[in-house]
Amino acid sequence: AQSVTQLDSQVPVFEEAPVELRCNYSSSVSVYLFWYVQYPNQGLQLLLKYLSGSTLVESINGFEAEFNKSQTSFHLRKPSVHISDTAEYFCAVSSKAAGNKLTFGGGTRVLVKP
Amino acid sequence: DVKVTQSSRYLVKRTGEKVFLECVQDMDHENMFWYRQDPGLGLRLIYFSYDVKMKEKGDIPEGYSVSREKKERFSLILESASTNQTSMYLCASRLGGSGNTIYFGEGSWLTVV
Repeated sequence: AQSVTQLDSQVPVFEEAPVELRCNYSSSVSVYLFWYVQYPNQGLQLLLKYLSGSTLVESINGFEAEFNKSQTSFHLRKPSVHISDTAEYFCAVSSKAAGNKLTFGGGTRVLVKP
Repeated sequence: DVKVTQSSRYLVKRTGEKVFLECVQDMDHENMFWYRQDPGLGLRLIYFSYDVKMKEKGDIPEGYSVSREKKERFSLILESASTNQTSMYLCASRLGGSGNTIYFGEGSWLTVV
């Protein structure tokens, strides 16, 4: 069975400071990895995903995540956050072996302070 | 843009009532999903469907059933609502396999009193 652990439930950070959200997954097979973001009172939307190839993936709004197979991690980073990055972030994993189901972590709430 | 529409944003129901949560997607996606979102637990999969009239149990199917009579519509049914089913329910759809993006609706807040 696949599973995802997000190590931090809340991360307070000052505007323009860097942030890292940690994600570890458990799966014995080849996986696809995702980060979704949920802004207040909205549904989830895709931030970025790793399918294959380069282990570093980037989003259009400055986030990046690195797939590390040996450490089974997919941490999300942004070098300088904005107030508008205040949201909840979810790491997720899927695989053909798990019947194409998408399994989510518990989420990390990011609060950007001025 | 893909649009996943959930018919009700906020519902209040009484214990024991039968509850229907409706979801419609407009992009001809084969796969549709129902998740439940609770603080600290993230999203947990209740049921998913990979074709009309096909369904599979997710991680927490107890107390729920689903219906998919048409490709665009996926309904979640609480046969007899209980207070521990008070939660946010999210519907989603996806075209094709596990590497593709899942698109979510805005969610339905259900309170069972």
